[in-house]
Amino acid sequence: GAVVSQHPSRVICKSGTSVKIECRSLDFQATTMFWYRQFPKQSLMLMATSNEGSKATYEQGVEKDKFLINHASLTLSTLTVTSAHPEDSSFYICSARVSLSGGMFFGSGTQLSVL
Amino acid sequence: AQSVTQLDSQVPVFEEAPVELRCNYSSSVSVYLFWYVQYPNQGLQLLLKYLSGSTLVKGINGFEAEFNKSQTSFHLRKPSVHISDTAEYFCAVSAGAAGNKLTFGGGTRVLVKP
Repeated sequence: GAVVSQHPSRVICKSGTSVKIECRSLDFQATTMFWYRQFPKQSLMLMATSNEGSKATYEQGVEKDKFLINHASLTLSTLTVTSAHPEDSSFYICSARVSLSGGMFFGSGTQLSVL
Repeated sequence: AQSVTQLDSQVPVFEEAPVELRCNYSSSVSVYLFWYVQYPNQGLQLLLKYLSGSTLVKGINGFEAEFNKSQTSFHLRKPSVHISDTAEYFCAVSAGAAGNKLTFGGGTRVLVKP
């Protein structure tokens, strides 16, 4: 199956700093990627849809200036958590789809801890 | 908009016993249904999916699910579980096209006991 690589797997940062998370499709081109957030023992909540070469589409309630998404190429999308605070601590997961009729493949997730 | 309900938040089960995880959905358009498994601190792995055709879908690791349109359900089953099946299981739906964004259920934690 298709492989999606997410990096880093774990990051600890100080409050007020920015953190960048990368999501790469390794063996296919992904025109669309998705970013999810997951709190402990809870489900995945979609944050935004990332489209190559255009602005991301954010879900209601997600601060676009807080969570910057860039999808500069067909194989890479990045999520930058700006001025992170402890309440931003969470597990972030990306996914990429092969095509509109194809499946969705997930990265291994990034555990963000803001001190 | 679509929604997914997983009726059981936790399911304890003994090793080698059968397990069924319930999933119900709602949508005003055609749906595509998925089951994913998540191990601690990891991403999601696709177990199986229903796109069209036969309503009984077989997936990896001995899991299967049945799409029931009249009951808007997509329950996941395994006839005999192993300790390694201990994980979180998520039912998800995409509406309109299989590659559209997914809406997840709340998840069901399966704990397999020896």
